[in-house]
Amino acid sequence: ETGVTQSPTHLIKTRGQQVTLRCSSQSGHNTVSWYQQALGQGPQFIFQYYREEENGRGNFPPRFSGLQFPNYSSELNVNALELDDSALYLCASSIRNTEAFFGQGTRLTVV
Amino acid sequence: GQQLNQSPQSMFIQEGEDVSMNCTSSSIFNTWLWYKQDPGEGPVLLIALYKAGELTSNGRLTAQFGITRKDSFLNISASIPSDVGIYFCAGQLYNTDKLIFGTGTRLQVFP
Repeated sequence: ETGVTQSPTHLIKTRGQQVTLRCSSQSGHNTVSWYQQALGQGPQFIFQYYREEENGRGNFPPRFSGLQFPNYSSELNVNALELDDSALYLCASSIRNTEAFFGQGTRLTVV
Repeated sequence: GQQLNQSPQSMFIQEGEDVSMNCTSSSIFNTWLWYKQDPGEGPVLLIALYKAGELTSNGRLTAQFGITRKDSFLNISASIPSDVGIYFCAGQLYNTDKLIFGTGTRLQVFP
């Protein structure tokens, strides 16, 4: 148990729709990062939030956006879903510049 | 997206055997992390390494941070069936919580 919880655990969406994924960080952690993991691949960094501001972004288009709230929980929003967005989405929380702990992930399927 | 070179890609071993896997990068990292991931779950942190040359153990697991800061290895001694899973290395740059993951090593342990 890492103390990082994600919801929902599974989700099916239609191409073109929008989706919001949620993450509650471990108590005391002020940094949340989001990763996309395609089948058979390692996780790929999407972006990170520190104290409610985006603090680094990977090679993902603007239709991937996020938020961090005052309690350090976070949301990942994806607009105009494409079939290739089907993946396991992982949230990781940390105290800045220390090791990250991951949630169980949200499995998104786009049909 | 960027991924580190991890080898071997998969291993099939007998219970009780020792296992070794490694990770190399063209970039220098300040922190190396090793995670284990079970199917449909998020990665679980096994070992974190913070200094070049550092050798750290966690039970039957031993990992080292390479002197060049471009590589790391993980050893598992006396493997047991619950060691089955996918092992990922990850490199982290100083002053950023972004992780670059390896391609993964799939471990199967037979009784």
